[in-house]
Amino acid sequence: GEDVEQSLFLSVREGDSSVINCTYTDSSSTYLYWYKQEPGAGLQLLTYIFSNMDMKQDQRLTVLLNKKDKHLSLRIADTQTGDSAIYFCAESIHAGNNRKLIWGLGTSLAVNP
Amino acid sequence: EPEVTQTPSHQVTQMGQEVILRCVPISNHLYFYWYRQILGQKVEFLVSFYNNEISEKSEIFDDQFSVERPDGSNFTLKIRSTKLEDSAMYFCASSQGWTNEKLFFGSGTQLSVL
Repeated sequence: GEDVEQSLFLSVREGDSSVINCTYTDSSSTYLYWYKQEPGAGLQLLTYIFSNMDMKQDQRLTVLLNKKDKHLSLRIADTQTGDSAIYFCAESIHAGNNRKLIWGLGTSLAVNP
Repeated sequence: EPEVTQTPSHQVTQMGQEVILRCVPISNHLYFYWYRQILGQKVEFLVSFYNNEISEKSEIFDDQFSVERPDGSNFTLKIRSTKLEDSAMYFCASSQGWTNEKLFFGSGTQLSVL
């Protein structure tokens, strides 16, 4: 069945780059997403990539997609303490006449000063 | 930036009671969704809704669950007779179109069933 896996924890120093990795199983996924969840808050769409792309850059964020290995990564350059949050990887798959997201468990990013 | 709003942010109820979770999707969006996240588990798809009817639902979305768009702005999730295992964070989401890549989520309703 569909599954998305990601490591649970990542700790980095302020100013360093963070790389959060994700693997997925469904090769028919259309879009792949990164969402951010801060404590007590909802799911904030950070960035997304269409499945026929292999890279997308958006300011400090770089998404890399290796479709052959079904591997997605999110790189945050110059990580700040405000980046501390849980980062969710999700893939969009067709569900009937609509689509649904299959989610990873989330990676908790801790940024140390 | 427009956002999806959900009320209440927290809901405590007794087992067996009915609850209604409310959502106001982004105004020009046509596709609406409910997801939930049980503590420590993955976010799970519950249901999608388009053109005033359910497009797809998961096996979680049994007869105890229903959704409704009672007017032009609200989108509700009703749980008829809550169970302890319904305790979760419930997220509403909306998107402009089926192929639109941006799916926006509300900040969630934390439901606690006692």
